[in-house]
Amino acid sequence: GESVGLHLPTLSVQEGDNSIINCAYSNSASDYFIWYKQESGKGPQFIIDIRSNMDKRQGQRVTVLLNKTVKHLSLQIAATQPGDSAVYFCAEGMDSSYKLIFGSGTRLLVRP
Amino acid sequence: GAVVSQHPSRVICKSGTSVKIECRSLDFQATTMFWYRQFPKQSLMLMATSNEGSKATYEQGVEKDKFLINHASLTLSTLTVTSAHPEDSSFYICSARIQTGGPQHFGDGTRLSIL
Repeated sequence: GESVGLHLPTLSVQEGDNSIINCAYSNSASDYFIWYKQESGKGPQFIIDIRSNMDKRQGQRVTVLLNKTVKHLSLQIAATQPGDSAVYFCAEGMDSSYKLIFGSGTRLLVRP
Repeated sequence: GAVVSQHPSRVICKSGTSVKIECRSLDFQATTMFWYRQFPKQSLMLMATSNEGSKATYEQGVEKDKFLINHASLTLSTLTVTSAHPEDSSFYICSARIQTGGPQHFGDGTRLSIL
């Protein structure tokens, strides 16, 4: 079946640098996409979402970009901090269904 | 602050025991809640959709008699792992939407360890 996947399983960045986490999706019919952050031993925490009719959305220190042509989603984190260290998941969903399909996750490590 | 509360956070019990996990929506009503399972270093896999006042909808391959779901009120869903065995050891996470069309918000999960 269709799924959401990630290119990089681990990303290591220097504190203060910008981070870019990528995600490839295969369901062109998905209506929205969500980025979650999961710290060790905790549940996923909502970061930001974007509808399929948008190509960019910004939050506090985060930006999500959506490229429907190549079915690619990215999460940009500005001025990465040690507290940003976690596993990041992208997820996709459709308005016709409550279900979310999660990607495989990327671990972000922030070097001091 | 947290919008979904899960309890207990950790359970360690003997093989054959049944374990109940609670998921509560805080300050909002959730007609639908979701139960996920997550193995170490893996992604979340949806197990079932819990529907208030009706039967849960299980994903393919999930045994409904093994994982009993009850959603008796608009703020509480429970997952009972019946006659748990070591292979049931995992991280179980629930979620709910605050509003229709909004993102799912997750509880902090329950680490289940069956000896």
